[in-house]
Amino acid sequence: NAGVTQTPKFQVLKTGQSMTLQCAQDMNHEYMSWYRQDPGMGLRLIHYSVGAGITDQGEVPNGYNVSRSTTEDFPLRLLSAAPSQTSVYFCASSYSYGGQLVYEQYFGPGTRLTVT
Amino acid sequence: KNEVEQSPQNLTAQEGEFITINCSYSVGISALHWLQQHPGGGIVSLFMLSSGKKKHGRLIATINIQEKHSSLHITASHPRDSAVYICAVREETSGSRLTFGEGTQLTVNP
Repeated sequence: NAGVTQTPKFQVLKTGQSMTLQCAQDMNHEYMSWYRQDPGMGLRLIHYSVGAGITDQGEVPNGYNVSRSTTEDFPLRLLSAAPSQTSVYFCASSYSYGGQLVYEQYFGPGTRLTVT
Repeated sequence: KNEVEQSPQNLTAQEGEFITINCSYSVGISALHWLQQHPGGGIVSLFMLSSGKKKHGRLIATINIQEKHSSLHITASHPRDSAVYICAVREETSGSRLTFGEGTQLTVNP
């Protein structure tokens, strides 16, 4: 199994540009999530999904869109990049039970995004 | 005040020392996770626990639900244990989300 994969590893954007961060998992996990990690703040949940066709907002959803058309893929879209979105982004997946996160999460390697 | 507080923020130890990292939280939880973030940035899950104690190799995690406190212990520490250790809680009222502490940076010197 490849586990959780993320692309790209690094990205530099100009303010106002849009892009999509890709996340895929091959473990048939129902639950997938996107986090951002900023110095001194810990990981914060952006969006999550408990299954194909179902997504919900996390703690910091503004400026980001997600969709879940398949079990395997959970892309994160930045609509109009801003310097405040400079961060490291992690995708994670897990088995879940009734939409509840009752199992450990598996994390992707991260995407380091800089917005100038 | 953060819902999840870790202490210390930074910890330096000599190889072989016994290490303790603490996590306190202020909300009712259904589970607590300990994660390790390697110097290269990758994050792996170490433990998920809701009561008592779990052990894996040289790592031991304990939780006291009444006191809203968990500890991660590392016995016979080694330089390869150098990493950021992160505590996260699954709140009783939001079972689909984790709330994370800021992490403890551990450095083990040879």
